This record gives sequence, C-alpha cells and structure tokens, in this order.
Amino acid sequence: GAVVSQHPSWVICKSGTSVKIECRSLDFQATTMFWYRQFPKQSLMLMATSNEGSKATYEQGVEKDKFLINHASLTLSTLTVTSAHPEDSSFYICSATRVGEVSPLHFGNGTRLTVT
Amino acid sequence: KQEVTQIPAALSVPEGENLVLNCSFTDSAIYNLQWFRQDPGKGLTSLLLIQSSQREQTSGRLNASLDKSSGRSTLYIAASQPGDSATYLCAVDSGTYKYIFGTGTRLKVLA
Repeated sequence: GAVVSQHPSWVICKSGTSVKIECRSLDFQATTMFWYRQFPKQSLMLMATSNEGSKATYEQGVEKDKFLINHASLTLSTLTVTSAHPEDSSFYICSATRVGEVSPLHFGNGTRLTVT
Repeated sequence: KQEVTQIPAALSVPEGENLVLNCSFTDSAIYNLQWFRQDPGKGLTSLLLIQSSQREQTSGRLNASLDKSSGRSTLYIAASQPGDSATYLCAVDSGTYKYIFGTGTRLKVLA
C-alpha cells in the first residue's frame, strides 16, 4: 500500500519550453505532497510543500514563478518547470504522506529532466 | 537550522560483512528519523522509521538505532549481500514532515 506514482520518469526538452511532472498517490489520499530536487551524487533538497487546495509553500531560494506547483486534488500534485534552462536539469522526486499520521513518507520514482 | 551528516560518504565491503552506517544531526528536537535506500537513478525506498520516543527499529537484516541526546543514528546491516549495494540516506523530521536529508552513504558490497 501507499504507492506514489510519478510521471514521466524521464524527459528531455529544449531550452525555453515548459515541462510538467505529475505526482499521484495511487491508494491513499495525500493532503500534503513534497517536491525535492537532487543533483548528481548529492542529497535531496526540499523545494516546496504542496497542500491540497491551497498555495504551495516554497523553501528559501526556490523561485515560485519558475517552479509552479498545483495540488488540485487529494491524489495529484504537479510541478511545472517553466521556461526551462540547462541548469534546471536535475532529478525531481515527489513524496506524499497522510498528515497527522506517523507513517513513512512514500516517494515517487523520480523524474530525470534534461534541458538541452 | 537542522543539518544532517552521514559518515562514511562511501563504503566498499566484501559480501557477508556486518556494517554500520552513521547519521548525525545538529538539532536533537526531532519528531522522527527515517532511513532510506536509493538505487541509481531511482526514487527512495523507506527502510526503517524511528519515532523520537523509540531507541531502535529492526527489519530483517537491518537494525536502526536512535540516540536523540547525542544527535546520532546508526543503521546496522548484517551479513551484507551484493543486492544491498545502493545509496543509503537518513532523513530527519522536526515535526512538519519536512524531512532534512543527509548527504548519503554509497555502499558497494562485493561478491
């Protein structure tokens, strides 16, 4: 149980285009989802916290207008990288949890974004 | 500001060895600590979750301990196997589900 699906698993796009990444909780309702970014051989850095029906909370240094997050339902959050640049190339991972319960965070399998 | 450090950064051991991975954190006011495994290019798999009131958790060949007062956790892997080769991450939650991740230990178990 508690499966998180992330799509796509990898994407290549041209500089200046926008890319949308989906994160779905398949068998539970996630009032909160989290988006992380991971550079090669580095740890995960939290980008933003996404709450269903409200605006996402971004961590310091993360550009809200570049990384648009929408959490429209209890099972879906999307991250849109707008006007992508090569420096946005990274591994993006989402996670979801039932807030209020002590349960392991469940992670998607990540999306490898390459901007050419 | 919470900082999480893992030592060693990389480890290579022969199959069958017992090994210990270390995680230290600067702020002892944590809600829980979790150990994850990450295979190359993949997402994370939760291994063990230790709540702040607990001292250790066990799952199969894995045992994780937590010493909040000293800001340390260890992950013990018994009788290591080549399939255990991966990066192991510890992450600390200070009560908001906003996990702060450690730098990771890249483990290679040689057949």
